[in-house]
Amino acid sequence: DAKTTQPTSMDCAEGRAANLPCNHSTISGNEYVYWYRQIHSQGPQYIIHGLKNNETNEMASLIITEDRKSSTLILPHATLRDTAVYYCIVRSNSGGYQKVTFGIGTKLQVIP
Amino acid sequence: GAVVSQHPSRVICKSGTSVKIECRSLDFQATTMFWYRQFPKQSLMLMATSNEGSKATYEQGVEKDKFLINHASLTLSTLTVTSAHPEDSSFYICSAPTSGGPYNEQFFGPGTRLTVL
Repeated sequence: DAKTTQPTSMDCAEGRAANLPCNHSTISGNEYVYWYRQIHSQGPQYIIHGLKNNETNEMASLIITEDRKSSTLILPHATLRDTAVYYCIVRSNSGGYQKVTFGIGTKLQVIP
Repeated sequence: GAVVSQHPSRVICKSGTSVKIECRSLDFQATTMFWYRQFPKQSLMLMATSNEGSKATYEQGVEKDKFLINHASLTLSTLTVTSAHPEDSSFYICSAPTSGGPYNEQFFGPGTRLTVL
């Protein structure tokens, strides 16, 4: 799986949009971008994933650049409950059950 | 989304004892489950892949005789930490994919906090 680079930490004001960047310059054509988050002392939670088109669901939006070398996770209206570590992961969906390899992630602190 | 549970959520044991952690997929069948370990302020590290009806696959550096994995049914995998020592104190998390094809999605359990005294 391709490696990813994320900022170690970010702050965001409550109610504002949180934009979390991720670089994945070595991504290959069949690899998807996945985002998970982990609230303190809980298991990771799936947020969203995409291949090359922008995606949106009830939790967040995922913007992937045209060259697919980077992406941004957007939480449109951050709340205090969004404080967590956010992991950007690139992985192939081809064949079999894919294990998820976690990097360090971005620690997002939502400030009142 | 699919639900994965773990039991117990927290366990404290004495050094030298064995501890069993259960991981269950509650509303789907999982022929494969994954076990992770997370030390304080660190990321999750994959320990092993649990396969229903066959032996688990361990990541490099993980002692298979110390971390026994049994995947006895399509909804249950267990991790037994044998002869636990304080350095085994950690947050143990399991996950299960919901299907084997494209877009297979991983769902994670809530984790088990193990403290070895």
